[in-house]
Amino acid sequence: QKEVEQNSGPLSVPEGAIASLNCTYSDRGSQSFFWYRQYSGKSPELIMFIYSNGDKEDGRFTAQLNKASQYVSLLIRDSQPSDSATYLCAVASPWAQAGTALIFGKGTTLSVSS
Amino acid sequence: GAVVSQHPSRVICKSGTSVKIECRSLDFQATTMFWYRQFPKKSLMLMATSNEGSKATYEQGVEKDKFLINHASLTLSTLTVTSAHPEDSSFYICSARQTDRGYGYTFGSGTRLTVV
Repeated sequence: QKEVEQNSGPLSVPEGAIASLNCTYSDRGSQSFFWYRQYSGKSPELIMFIYSNGDKEDGRFTAQLNKASQYVSLLIRDSQPSDSATYLCAVASPWAQAGTALIFGKGTTLSVSS
Repeated sequence: GAVVSQHPSRVICKSGTSVKIECRSLDFQATTMFWYRQFPKKSLMLMATSNEGSKATYEQGVEKDKFLINHASLTLSTLTVTSAHPEDSSFYICSARQTDRGYGYTFGSGTRLTVV
């Protein structure tokens, strides 16, 4: 069974701290990796995506990909209370039945306290 | 940026009736759209892949006769929940790929369906 795994949390960090979110995936054929943020009752919004091994930075966010370990992470620096949400890891893999749909992990709930 | 409009945002229907949800790509053409379902406190589960001009491809366990998908144009895909039952109550979200600008996936705002 192809899977995307995340710790459900909640992950609690104080304001200003670094939040570290982790994700593993089972299919070595996965090619692209996405982090989405979802507020309760809302649709997911893209934070960033990464294709290549290594780090990719965008503002306070850094995505890290290690294909050998089948591991992708998201670091949020200087966490703010407004970052409190569920963070979804998604993988685009050729093993979906048709097309290249995103397959999502269960999400990690982040709580940033002020 | 790419915008996907989904309508309605919220619908309440009686058990046994059908509900149609529309998903439109506003500023790009989407040959492929995806439909997801999300139950409370659960992740998004892929239901089907909608391809313009051809039949949709459904994920295992999703009833194609119950969840009718039509992708008649490059900007519109519809999901019709037929003979809805309370267990169909969920958050339905569509997504489209903007393939002419790389690999981006854009999500609609979602439809909260409640069947009473």
